[in-house]
Amino acid sequence: AQSVTQLDSHVSVSEGTPVLLRCNYSSSYSPSLFWYVQHPNKGLQLLLKYTSAATLVKGINGFEAEFKKSETSFHLTKPSAHMSDAAEYFCVVSDLGNTPLVFGKGTRLSVIA
Amino acid sequence: DTEVTQTPKHLVMGMTNKKSLKCEQHMGHRAMYWYKQKAKKPPELMFVYSYEKLSINESVPSRFSPECPNSSLLNLHLHALQPEDSALYLCASSLLANSQGSGNTIYFGEGSWLTVV
Repeated sequence: AQSVTQLDSHVSVSEGTPVLLRCNYSSSYSPSLFWYVQHPNKGLQLLLKYTSAATLVKGINGFEAEFKKSETSFHLTKPSAHMSDAAEYFCVVSDLGNTPLVFGKGTRLSVIA
Repeated sequence: DTEVTQTPKHLVMGMTNKKSLKCEQHMGHRAMYWYKQKAKKPPELMFVYSYEKLSINESVPSRFSPECPNSSLLNLHLHALQPEDSALYLCASSLLANSQGSGNTIYFGEGSWLTVV
């Protein structure tokens, strides 16, 4: 069975400082992992995905994530936060087979001017 | 072009009304999905269509009736809804429903905000 744990429900950073959103996963197979972002009153936008190629994945808007199998983690980072990064972020795992996505509970990122 | 288009963006309906939500994609994807999202929660899967056939129904009440007329279109027919059904309804699509080995990416639309009064 697969599961996702987002370790922080809310993260607050100052503009220009680094962002770290933490995600741990559990999977019986080699998983595919995704980060989606949802701005207020919007749909979900794919930030990046890991699919067993390079362990450091670069996404849109300066975000990147590193897959660490030994730690079962897939943390999302950005060197410098921008006000427009304020949103809800979901870590998602997709296992092999005909199984749907499993979402984490989400982390709300606030960026303070 | 990774676009899933949903209409309407906002819908207010009474508990006795019949309405439909519509979704369209032109990416050649053969899997389409309906999700329901309540405020401050992750999306919850409702239905999955694979090659225009219903493959997953997550025990959704019959007042929600999905329809997939062709590989590009997905509808959600609504009838006799309850106020607790008010939510954001997200349509999504992916190349295939089976995620095996491909990192099958699901692309979401902007959603339809439904209010039941």
